[in-house]
Amino acid sequence: GNSVTQMEGPVTLSEEAFLTINCTYTATGYPSLFWYVQYPGEGLQLLLKATKADDKGSNKGFEATYRKETTSFHLEKGSVQVSDSAVYFCALETNAGKSTFGDGTTLTVKP
Amino acid sequence: DGGITQSPKYLFRKEGQNVTLSCEQNLNHDAMYWYRQDPGQGLRLIYYSQIVNDFQKGDIAEGYSVSREKKESFPLTVTSAQKNPTAFYLCASSSRPRGQGVDGYTFGSGTRLTVV
Repeated sequence: GNSVTQMEGPVTLSEEAFLTINCTYTATGYPSLFWYVQYPGEGLQLLLKATKADDKGSNKGFEATYRKETTSFHLEKGSVQVSDSAVYFCALETNAGKSTFGDGTTLTVKP
Repeated sequence: DGGITQSPKYLFRKEGQNVTLSCEQNLNHDAMYWYRQDPGQGLRLIYYSQIVNDFQKGDIAEGYSVSREKKESFPLTVTSAQKNPTAFYLCASSSRPRGQGVDGYTFGSGTRLTVV
């Protein structure tokens, strides 16, 4: 079956540090890939997406590139802020409409 | 502003009770979904609906039931048959039906259900 594996957290960074959260996937065919963010006590919000190989999704300073050769979709941000503290979920959706979510990575940014 | 409204935010259930979680959207989305989230885990699909009066079981449908009488509404009932219902429940919608292109989901703010 399909699967999404994220780097284990929690991740703790100082403000203005560089962020990478690794995500790799296993799926048949060519899924679309997503990053969602969840703030405490809230639902998930779509952060960015990529629908085909070599696409780069970007939003609010976050970026991720769809790498088919390594089946990866790592999330990066050049300079994190305290307000970026949240749980980040990597997810895929197949053309048949089946979605699979990773377990989430908790990010804490300290001032 | 368009969005998904889930209510209540917190819900307490006694053993043997059925409880219903509300989900309303004003996005004019056809597809709606219910997910369950447990601590430190990803989301698991309970039920989904792509059109009024039709819905399909997801991966963990046992002990749950849904209805889709209106496009805007997709309530979830947690029945007494669900042995471990304490969790965070998320309703979501999508502008495209399953398998017809991917746009990602819009999520509600969730309902936290606790068995007392």
